[in-house]
Amino acid sequence: GEEVAQTPKHLVRGEGQKAKLYCAPIKGHSYVFWYQQVLKNEFKFLISFQNENVFDETGMPKERFSAKCLPNSPCSLEIQATKLEDSAVYFCASSQWDTDTQYFGPGTRLTVL
Amino acid sequence: GESVGLHLPTLSVQEGDNSIINCAYSNSASDYFIWYKQESGKGPQFIIDIRSNMDKRQGQRVTVLLNKTVKHLSLQIAATQPGDSAVYFCAEKENTDKLIFGTGTRLQVFP
Repeated sequence: GEEVAQTPKHLVRGEGQKAKLYCAPIKGHSYVFWYQQVLKNEFKFLISFQNENVFDETGMPKERFSAKCLPNSPCSLEIQATKLEDSAVYFCASSQWDTDTQYFGPGTRLTVL
Repeated sequence: GESVGLHLPTLSVQEGDNSIINCAYSNSASDYFIWYKQESGKGPQFIIDIRSNMDKRQGQRVTVLLNKTVKHLSLQIAATQPGDSAVYFCAEKENTDKLIFGTGTRLQVFP
């Protein structure tokens, strides 16, 4: 598609439950980025992919968070045992090249109760 | 660590006036800067970008200025309209191509 698509739009989980978010990059874009935005404030970089390969994972929490980008499938971000502080909007962005502009999706709002 | 920040958290302007949103960055090695607009409930929308080999770049009603000497970035919006009301983020790009965002400035446009 011509826009980054993210599903679901909203996700509510009880503390300790698993959460899985999906992202379909713009067709033809090789790079995918995940960011976390808390309280409508700063964006925190989590991880990036070049096609199905991890490009940069320096922002990923070592525990509980994992991400994948498999061929012919949406990319995914999974939180194994959610905590209250995971409540945020998670944005996916894609770019054609590593030096190109990143275009963002509409985000998934995760609420952990 | 390196960071990108904004001087003003909220900017209120009258419709038709020009708006200037400022941003300070600290990483002198950054070579690419972007302005995004974020409306409530939506993702960041690309507005304009500039590379470090340029001082100024113009788009439709928007201009970005880069002053590398003082590490300052600004976004100018001409003839501000109600539809320009949003939060504006500056961001810099590091070598690994992740974006480092500032904290955002809310632009409010009054009739």
